[in-house]
Amino acid sequence: AQKITQTQPGMFVQEKEAVTLDCTYDTSDQSYGLFWYKQPSSGEMIFLIYQGSYDEQNATEGRYSLNFQKARKSANLVISASQLGDSAMYFCAMRAPGDKIIFGKGTRLHILP
Amino acid sequence: EPEVTQTPSHQVTQMGQEVILRCVPISNHLYFYWYRQILGQKVEFLVSFYNNEISEKSEIFDDQFSVERPDGSNFTLKIRSTKLEDSAMYFCASSEPFPGRVRNEQYFGPGTRLTVT
Repeated sequence: AQKITQTQPGMFVQEKEAVTLDCTYDTSDQSYGLFWYKQPSSGEMIFLIYQGSYDEQNATEGRYSLNFQKARKSANLVISASQLGDSAMYFCAMRAPGDKIIFGKGTRLHILP
Repeated sequence: EPEVTQTPSHQVTQMGQEVILRCVPISNHLYFYWYRQILGQKVEFLVSFYNNEISEKSEIFDDQFSVERPDGSNFTLKIRSTKLEDSAMYFCASSEPFPGRVRNEQYFGPGTRLTVT
């Protein structure tokens, strides 16, 4: 069965610093996709970045990059030059062949001025 | 930029009542989903829908739940007889299949907060 583990329930980071949010996953499927979503206090789910299991390069989207280490089954999100607006809940998620996306429990990120 | 929309943003209902949550997916998307998030907890998959039928559902999606695409644009989630534990944020999502590979991102709507009293 697929599983997503986020071991950091909360993090405090100084503004302008880089931050890494940890995510490990477990699956027996060879083909899968990994996602990160941001959920601000307003509640909506904002797609940030996607990494396919066959993608050889780490995904990047602006200040977001995904540190994909397939052998270790980790997909950490790196946010460079953090901003106050980055304060939110961050969810790592995975999709295997089929339709279901499973989410981790999330990491609440607090950016300090 | 196209987006998924959901109505209402907040629904309050009494236990035992039926509710219908509405979603308008992105127009060229073919796969539709419902998720829920109980306050303070993780997002949980409920059901996926493709080609006018359910393609996968979770154990949460019991006989009290149903989904429908009544026309070319709307996608609805019905809860027949609501329970207190149905109180949650319900997210609709849609995606466009990526040919030959695992489909990529699902775009989420803003959610409907359902409160059952």
